[in-house]
Amino acid sequence: NAGVMQNPRHLVRRRGQEARLRCSPMKGHSHVYWYRQLPEEGLKFMVYLQKENIIDESGMPKERFSAEFPKEGPSILRIQQVVRGDSAAYFCASSPTVSTDTQYFGPGTRLTVL
Amino acid sequence: GQNIDQPTEMTATEGAIVQINCTYQTSGFNGLFWYQQHAGEAPTFLSYNVLDGLEEKGRFSSFLSRSKGYSYLLLKELQMKDSASYLCAVRSGNTGKLIFGQGTTLQVKP
Repeated sequence: NAGVMQNPRHLVRRRGQEARLRCSPMKGHSHVYWYRQLPEEGLKFMVYLQKENIIDESGMPKERFSAEFPKEGPSILRIQQVVRGDSAAYFCASSPTVSTDTQYFGPGTRLTVL
Repeated sequence: GQNIDQPTEMTATEGAIVQINCTYQTSGFNGLFWYQQHAGEAPTFLSYNVLDGLEEKGRFSSFLSRSKGYSYLLLKELQMKDSASYLCAVRSGNTGKLIFGQGTTLQVKP
């Protein structure tokens, strides 16, 4: 039973490029959460999605960041026109339902912006 | 506002017991989680409390007092592999959003 999958594990981009991070939840999980961990800081919630719906995006920066979870395929976190401050580890977590279930984390994507 | 506090660093000896405290102030409390995170790796689920009291799982136990906004993680019979960061997280409201503390880096020494 595969866990949460994320790819790529490491991503290097130059300032101004786009970054696409992918997350496949655990089998049977339909809820996906994205978190960001800046160097020497704690995990910060970004967005919560269900299939084809954004439920809570209160942690997403207002510009350049977007997320989707289509009916088929992985969830995508997209960062346009990356800046050095976007360098961080981006973790995806999934859960079967919302109110009582544990979130299980993927291995993360480490984004480095040159 | 939402605030979760835990000590930044702790050191303990192999074979000993260590308690990592976490205090929180959040709205819409809906459960408290402890995760373990080794450097460069994903957080791994350790325990979950939603009611007051102690939850025991092998060498790990977690306690919650909702009236005091307080939790602790207790690790017994420490092993070198327990050296890691321990993250306290509160679930806020019904969307499942987790609010994390800064994490406590535990170093286990021989």
